[in-house]
Amino acid sequence: GDSVTQMEGPVTLSEEACLTINCTYTATGYPSLFWYVQYPGEGLQLLLKATKADDKGSNKGFEATYRKETTSFHLEKGSVQVSDSAVYFCAANNNAGNMLTFGGGTRLMVKP
Amino acid sequence: ETGVTQSPTHLIKTRGQQVTLRCSSQSGHNTVSWYQQALGQGPQFIFQYYREEENGRGNFPPRFSGLQFPNYSSELNVNALELDDSALYLCASSPTGTGSHEQYFGPGTRLTVT
Repeated sequence: GDSVTQMEGPVTLSEEACLTINCTYTATGYPSLFWYVQYPGEGLQLLLKATKADDKGSNKGFEATYRKETTSFHLEKGSVQVSDSAVYFCAANNNAGNMLTFGGGTRLMVKP
Repeated sequence: ETGVTQSPTHLIKTRGQQVTLRCSSQSGHNTVSWYQQALGQGPQFIFQYYREEENGRGNFPPRFSGLQFPNYSSELNVNALELDDSALYLCASSPTGTGSHEQYFGPGTRLTVT
């Protein structure tokens, strides 16, 4: 079945540092790919998405590029803020589009 | 535009009991999915409802069941609760007519089984 693997956390960075959270997937066909963010005590918020190879999703300074050749969708941000501290989940949908498969999540902690 | 809402926020049940969780989808969305998120893990797909019919199911036993109503709201029912059912239950709705199938999540219901 489909699976999503992302780097384990926690990732601890100082404010204004560069962020990369790795995500790779295995899937049949060509899934759409997503990054969700979860703040403490809350549900998941859609951060960005990409629906086909070489698409770049971006939002709030975060970006990720759908790399079909490496089956990857790494999340990047050039300068993190304390308010970016949260858990980040990479996800892929199946061909029918009715199910999201999530990675285990990566906790990001940004220190002032 | 109202987002996805869930009730209750928290719930404590005893092993063997039954529970019903409720979800109202975002305005204009006709598809509702349910996920279970154990502590420290990613969400796991339980099932999806589209136009009041089950439209896909994950690897969960039959004691997990659901309903979708004509107004697209949904219920998740869990019978014969087990300790391992303790988790955050997330509901997500999807917009009509989109091809990318992004899902929008509610805040979740925290279920504790003792």
